[in-house]
Amino acid sequence: DQQVKQNSPSLSVQEGRISILNCDYTNSMFDYFLWYKKYPAEGPTFLISISSIKDKNEDGRFTVFLNKSAKHLSLHIVPSQPGDSAVYFCAASLNTNAGKSTFGDGTTLTVKP
Amino acid sequence: EAGVTQFPSHSVIEKGQTVTLRCDPISGHDNLYWYRRVMGKEIKFLLHFVKESKQDESGMPNNRFLAERTGGTYSTLKVQPAELEDSGVYFCASSQIFTGVPYFGPGTRLTVT
Repeated sequence: DQQVKQNSPSLSVQEGRISILNCDYTNSMFDYFLWYKKYPAEGPTFLISISSIKDKNEDGRFTVFLNKSAKHLSLHIVPSQPGDSAVYFCAASLNTNAGKSTFGDGTTLTVKP
Repeated sequence: EAGVTQFPSHSVIEKGQTVTLRCDPISGHDNLYWYRRVMGKEIKFLLHFVKESKQDESGMPNNRFLAERTGGTYSTLKVQPAELEDSGVYFCASSQIFTGVPYFGPGTRLTVT
């Protein structure tokens, strides 16, 4: 059974609006969470992360929120830009071992001009 | 600084044949990881090298898969004999420190017919 789930395979938003990508996990022992962005024919690129001791981390247009009680995290992109169109992976790890993360299936974000 | 490189970018082989994938990590990165993404699903961890030693190979699917990292530089992943279900994209990633966020290569798309 998948421990990290991204239930929305795709999301389409208008340029300038907010994009919200969601991720749920089942293992309460996960203590470090990451979001990766992937363009076609490229490998995933690290975007932003959050430790389980925090509930929010912000980096420019990207903010990740963590709700430990609900085992849920989300990535907010504001404002969305066409260049943000990509597949976004949520990942979770134990003991901050990011290299051995458990990934979700990914959400394809399309930002329309 | 060169990123993680993988060769070949795409390989098509018949069931029962052997294929060897190569990964060159970022220079100076002792940690090297292999992952696989099958049928557009989640990215799954396969194994982790620290220098030339296998730190964790818990994700290797079966004994048809053999990974090596002689000399602690580049790594190879051999599939012998290949089966249809081995088709997917194989990613390699590297990091400088054990808990560091890994940098991914572009992946090798393996198609077994």
